[in-house]
Parts: sequence; structure tokens; C-alpha cells
Amino acid sequence: SQQGEEDPQALSIQEGENATMNCSYKTSINNLQWYRQNSGRGLVHLILIRSNEREKHSGRLRVTLDTSKKSSSLLITASRAADTASYFCATAPTGGFKTIFGAGTRLFVKA
Amino acid sequence: SAVISQKPSRDICQRGTSLTIQCQVDSQVTMMFWYRQQPGQSLTLIATANQGSEATYESGFVIDKFPISRPNLTFSTLTVSNMSPEDSSIYLCSVRENTEAFFGQGTRLTVV
Repeated sequence: SQQGEEDPQALSIQEGENATMNCSYKTSINNLQWYRQNSGRGLVHLILIRSNEREKHSGRLRVTLDTSKKSSSLLITASRAADTASYFCATAPTGGFKTIFGAGTRLFVKA
Repeated sequence: SAVISQKPSRDICQRGTSLTIQCQVDSQVTMMFWYRQQPGQSLTLIATANQGSEATYESGFVIDKFPISRPNLTFSTLTVSNMSPEDSSIYLCSVRENTEAFFGQGTRLTVV
């Protein structure tokens, strides 16, 4: 399979709560990216973390990367109803040019 | 960052027909990538398109079904041939600049 694993597949939380999504991948990577997609529309790039980085922040987003476990997590703090979307991790494997996507997590934030 | 224009943005097609999707990038890129996103699913890479050579297809995708053209460094087309309802998906083109991937807005295809 091209895809890595993401969990949970779906997540429903109340506005104001934090949302954590996890991603695992199969090969060594140059970097890992997280994307958001609203209702089957285009992809919005959220954050990129390089293989030599362990944590990165951007606004309410916090991404961690553990290359020894081949896993990453995306934390959205103080979630809002507008955060309702599907979230995908995507890896750039070492020595390659493709971008490989995880299965995605559907996040629903209830107002 | 690369800006990618894709058209059509959506189409409804009859089974047995073919649709060609166009992808235009605002800068010259060596590789362009075509993805499919089936309803409720993640993105799956169809093929990598290099200028001046045949596209490289991923497992499960064949040139007869998804012919690709890459006439220059800013443009590519993907054709979905002999369509069936199972081809109903979003098709996206993508490029990489440095190590970041950029995507078009996608073409939402419905086959009836």
C-alpha cells in the first residue's frame, strides 16, 4: 500500500478541546507534512517538519516527529468549529521524489 | 511557492467516454504528479510525469486507462479513459519545490 496509517480514523470533540492525530509511515523520510482538506476540496498545507526536527509549532498547531518509531503527531489546541476537516500526513521518502499520503483523520468539532 | 491551475474543476461524464484534465504550473518543474482521491479516501499516486519521457505509473494504474502527456516543463494532462462509475473521484496534480509538495484544487469527476 502507498499509504501510511493514521489514527484515529475519525475524531469528534467539543469546541475548545484539543485534538491529537497520529501518523505512522513505512520508510525513511526527508520530511513529513500535514495537510487539511475541507469537504473534498483542495488541500491546504499546514506545516512541514524535517527529518532532523523533533517538534514544530505554528499558531495553534504542534507537530512532533519520531523517526525511530516512524511516527508523527499533529495537535490542534483550543479547537474551533472551523477546524472541522480531514487531516492528512504526507511523507517525502528519502531518495525519492514522490509524496505519499496517510489514510487521514476526519475531525469534527462541535460548536 | 508554486501556483497550480487545474481544469476543469468538475465534470459529470457518461460511462464509456474519456475526460482530459489539464494542469498548468506557474514555474518550470521537472516532475509533475497525478493523484486520485476516491470518495472518503486519501490520495493515491497515479503516476509521475517527466517532460520528454513516458510517465511512470504506480502499481494498479496503467497507461491505457490513464494516459498522461507532458509536452513542456509547465504543463501536463491526465486522461481518464473509458470511464465507469468507479472512476468517480477527485483528481489532483502536484509538483514539488525543494521538498514541499503543492497541489492544484483538483478536478471532481462524476461518472454516470
